[in-house]
Amino acid sequence: DAGVIQSPRHEVTEMGQEVTLRCKPISGHDYLFWYRQTMMRGLELLIYFNNNVPIDDSGMPEDRFSAKMPNASFSTLKIQPSEPRDSAVYFCASTSHSPDIWGYGYTFGSGTRLTVV
Amino acid sequence: QQQVKQSPQSLIVQKGGISIINCAYENTAFDYFPWYQQFPGKGPALLIAIRPDVSEKKEGRFTISFNKSAKQFSLHIMDSQPGDSATYFCAASIEGYGGSQGNLIFGKGTKLSVKP
Repeated sequence: DAGVIQSPRHEVTEMGQEVTLRCKPISGHDYLFWYRQTMMRGLELLIYFNNNVPIDDSGMPEDRFSAKMPNASFSTLKIQPSEPRDSAVYFCASTSHSPDIWGYGYTFGSGTRLTVV
Repeated sequence: QQQVKQSPQSLIVQKGGISIINCAYENTAFDYFPWYQQFPGKGPALLIAIRPDVSEKKEGRFTISFNKSAKQFSLHIMDSQPGDSATYFCAASIEGYGGSQGNLIFGKGTKLSVKP
């Protein structure tokens, strides 16, 4: 398996533009997470899905952020309109849960470094 | 209650020395405590994890020590090597058997530099 695949790796955009980040989780994983990483705030959970359904979006900073998971192999995180304070590294992670196994490691993608100027 | 407090923020250790990173939590419902390692330009990767009915878990040079009564756990890296230089995150969640009841709460991270 190629792991969790995120695109693009880097994105530079102007303030006010729409930005779409993409993620392909590991096949068979039923949980998908979007995290944002900054020096000041560390790793923050934005939203997570279980079987393509959003479970907790309380970490989404404001209405400018939205996330979708139309199927088990694809998710997007959209920021519209983008602002300079959205500049960060955005990570997607996935995992699989089973009632027979204790403890589940998350597999993270390599991230998208977003710069809003 | 949902926070995981990690210290120190940064750590410099000589090659061959012991690196120690500490974490503390408040939520006694947490039952899964992993450590993640992150190299520059990469996502965090699972390093080692422990559950609260075990006081210590060792995998190679990496050991987690867990103190349930103090609600603290720590990562020890023995014989630290320059290749261990990375950012380390502790985390906690309510996992257990039967599937996840929540998600991973991460500490703020510790940047480790191992000097040759």
